[in-house]
Amino acid sequence: ETGVTQTPRHLVMGMTNKKSLKCEQHLGHNAMYWYKQSAKKPLELMFVYNFKEQTENNSVPSRFSPECPNSSHLFLHLHTLQPEDSALYLCASSQEREGNEQFFGPGTRLTVL
Amino acid sequence: SQKIEQNSEALNIQEGKTATLTCNYTNYSPAYLQWYRQDPGRGPVFLLLIRENEKEKRKERLKVTFDTTLKQSLFHITASQPADSATYLCALGPNNAGNMLTFGGGTRLMVKP
Repeated sequence: ETGVTQTPRHLVMGMTNKKSLKCEQHLGHNAMYWYKQSAKKPLELMFVYNFKEQTENNSVPSRFSPECPNSSHLFLHLHTLQPEDSALYLCASSQEREGNEQFFGPGTRLTVL
Repeated sequence: SQKIEQNSEALNIQEGKTATLTCNYTNYSPAYLQWYRQDPGRGPVFLLLIRENEKEKRKERLKVTFDTTLKQSLFHITASQPADSATYLCALGPNNAGNMLTFGGGTRLMVKP
């Protein structure tokens, strides 16, 4: 266990559905991240929150909407997704300091039908 | 544009041998480089950090080198074991004191008994 939990672990949704992914960290970190990992592609950084403020939105489509209510929780709200959005979505946390290692959750395997 | 290359083909070696994985980058001047291990269905786990002013770093059976002239990092596992079989990711950190990483696609290592 890395101290970062994600729910659900698996999610199947239709293109018209609305769902949310949840991430929680118990490490006292002040930075949290969402990554997308597709087959045969590198990890893609989607969003970064430092001290609960979004500091990076890596050209992510608006059908993905992040929310960070406090430094321990991070959500990714999903709506009207496309089949190509099917991937492993990973949450990570770290101290907001240059060079600090990131601790990853186990990921949510998302399938969009 | 920035590019990070790791050998996408799996590396197969015999137990007891030294595994050497390569991470090459272009159009980038990272302040540091990290290596992560990822097992199937799980999030990456941090292994080592090496900074731009360091040539080599060791941790138990792991050794990382960083050559900013060649724009290359080598990751070595000595006395490899079947339990070392996993995908290894390199990640580059920015030189603007930020905490955002750019990941390579990873190399899968298979250690045969």
